[in-house]
Amino acid sequence: QTVVTQEPSFSVSPGGTVTLTCGLSSGSVSTDFYPNWYQQTPGQAPRTLIYNTKTRSSGVPDRFSGSILGNRAALTITGAQAEDESDYYCVLYMGSGLWVFGGGTKLTVL
Amino acid sequence: QVQLQESGPGLVKPSETLSLTCTVSGGSISGYYWSWIRQPPGKGLEWIGYIFSTGTTNYNPSLKSRVTISVDTSKSQFSLKLSSVTAADTALYYCARSSLPKVDPWGQGTLVTVSS
Repeated sequence: QTVVTQEPSFSVSPGGTVTLTCGLSSGSVSTDFYPNWYQQTPGQAPRTLIYNTKTRSSGVPDRFSGSILGNRAALTITGAQAEDESDYYCVLYMGSGLWVFGGGTKLTVL
Repeated sequence: QVQLQESGPGLVKPSETLSLTCTVSGGSISGYYWSWIRQPPGKGLEWIGYIFSTGTTNYNPSLKSRVTISVDTSKSQFSLKLSSVTAADTALYYCARSSLPKVDPWGQGTLVTVSS
């Protein structure tokens, strides 16, 4: 079974830039996988940040951006703020209606 | 805008069947894929399976033997049944629309605890 990989944790300074990635245990991520990115704070449902690789959801600040970097999907936060400290999840489309989530990245802003 | 709301018992006994329903409002259930996703306490998200509005389903292989998802388009609802539950099935259960290019929107989630 395909495993979707994410960094378990990352840290960024306030105002800094951080790139979180989403890869495959075997093979490369491309736009054909329609990468979605979610932000989740404790006790809340996931909030959609990015879908279809780089489309920002309504109301999402433009400091969040999505892309393909090499063989992975990427979520970049430019000018990180304290409120961005959260868990971040990616999900990839595997075809035939199937989606697989990554294990999530815990982002610390300090 | 489309909204989803999960409902069902918050406590299920071991070996019994977990049953949840997701009600879709603000839009049509027809023509879309609808998924169930869960999150054990302190852990990550796990996709359980989907149903298309016509009734076609597909499930996570790791849960396939225990999962059934059904749809009632007349009520704008789809449902999850997970049989033979154990403590490992304790989780927040979310429903979501999962048609390309995104898994969105999501319900707020409902906590199901498996305990005697």
